[in-house]
Amino acid sequence: GIQVEQSPPDLILQEGANSTLRCNFSDSVNNLQWFHQNPWGQLINLFYIPSGTKQNGRLSATTVATERYSLLYISSSQTTDSGVYFCAVEDGGSNYKLTFGKGTLLTVNP
Amino acid sequence: DAGVTQSPTHLIKTRGQQVTLRCSPKSGHDTVSWYQQALGQGPQFIFQYYEEEERQRGNFPDRFSGHQFPNYSSELNVNALLLGDSALYLCASSLVGAGKLFFGSGTQLSVL
Repeated sequence: GIQVEQSPPDLILQEGANSTLRCNFSDSVNNLQWFHQNPWGQLINLFYIPSGTKQNGRLSATTVATERYSLLYISSSQTTDSGVYFCAVEDGGSNYKLTFGKGTLLTVNP
Repeated sequence: DAGVTQSPTHLIKTRGQQVTLRCSPKSGHDTVSWYQQALGQGPQFIFQYYEEEERQRGNFPDRFSGHQFPNYSSELNVNALLLGDSALYLCASSLVGAGKLFFGSGTQLSVL
């Protein structure tokens, strides 16, 4: 099946700093989504971005499907940004199943 | 507009027992997927239901079964519980063809 690798596995920032999270995938995808899992376990959908660039406030994401990677940018980080960020993809043959990476654990200190 | 709701939030069972978890999708959604998330890992796909049928299944044994009702709500059943079934069980809903998933808060299952 498709492989999803996220980097870095852990990231510690001071409040106000910027960061870039990366997601590499091993095959062509129909669907790519970024999620934030807060410390209480809730998974929040940040972006549905199979290709191109999107922005939502301090967050933006870019997927370059031909090169099989996606980037999540967090600017002016806040303590509430802490948690695990997951990239999930749906490969061309699957149609309905999302395969998740292992996530990036982000800690933002005040 | 209610999001995806799951019940119960926490559950403790012993090995060999059976468990039923419940999920109500986001208003307007018709597709429900179930995921298992072990500690420190990303969620793993169990199966997806659409029009009351299991549409696709991940690499999980037959002990895991599900159901979707006419109102689009869904149940996940796990029989003959093993210690390794301890995990956070997440339900996600979507609109067929739309792709974007919305997750509930999950059910934390502990098997002793």
